[in-house]
Amino acid sequence: DAGITQSPRYKITETGRQVTLMCHQTWSHSYMFWYRQDLGHGLRLIYYSAAADITDKGEVPDGYVVSRSKTENFPLTLESATRSQTSVYFCASSPGLGPPDTQYFGPGTRLTVL
Amino acid sequence: GQQLNQSPQSMFIQEGEDVSMNCTSSSIFNTWLWYKQDPGEGPVLLIALYKAGELTSNGRLTAQFGITRKDSFLNISASIPSDVGIYFCAGQLMNFNKFYFGSGTKLNVKP
Repeated sequence: DAGITQSPRYKITETGRQVTLMCHQTWSHSYMFWYRQDLGHGLRLIYYSAAADITDKGEVPDGYVVSRSKTENFPLTLESATRSQTSVYFCASSPGLGPPDTQYFGPGTRLTVL
Repeated sequence: GQQLNQSPQSMFIQEGEDVSMNCTSSSIFNTWLWYKQDPGEGPVLLIALYKAGELTSNGRLTAQFGITRKDSFLNISASIPSDVGIYFCAGQLMNFNKFYFGSGTKLNVKP
């Protein structure tokens, strides 16, 4: 039972490079989410998706692109990475049968932009 | 965006002591979730609450959905060193599938 996985777990890149963070869930959950976690800001929602081919912006979407061609995958792309995007990124999923609902997190990707 | 006020920000307690933390909001939520995050890991769901007034336990953890639907509480009884971590609350509004998160309570337990 893999649940929700993220890859890579650690990534170092340079300013201006494109980076894609992967998220995969095996529960067939409808909803998937991307958050970033920074000291002093807690968890902030970047993008979310209600189903395949349906995505919407969260609180901090600038500089990020998402896609969801398959229910189980929700990649997050930084088109031109900046130092301010150094953070820990968490993917999460929800069954989407509610509200009420629950949400489960992946292990995170620690991204450093030099 | 929605504001969830979580307190305290951090706690330093002795092993064996009980712990209480809470989240409050100016909005009415229809779901409250409590998570624990260990260093280098993702948040792990501890307890989910779906009804106002609901009291739910998970081992030594007990959480309550406030009757006003604007707050929730988490209690940990007889704390142990492995309780160390950051605890987050999350609330879900009616008719929205997004969750809003508190800023976390960092718990330190001294053996």
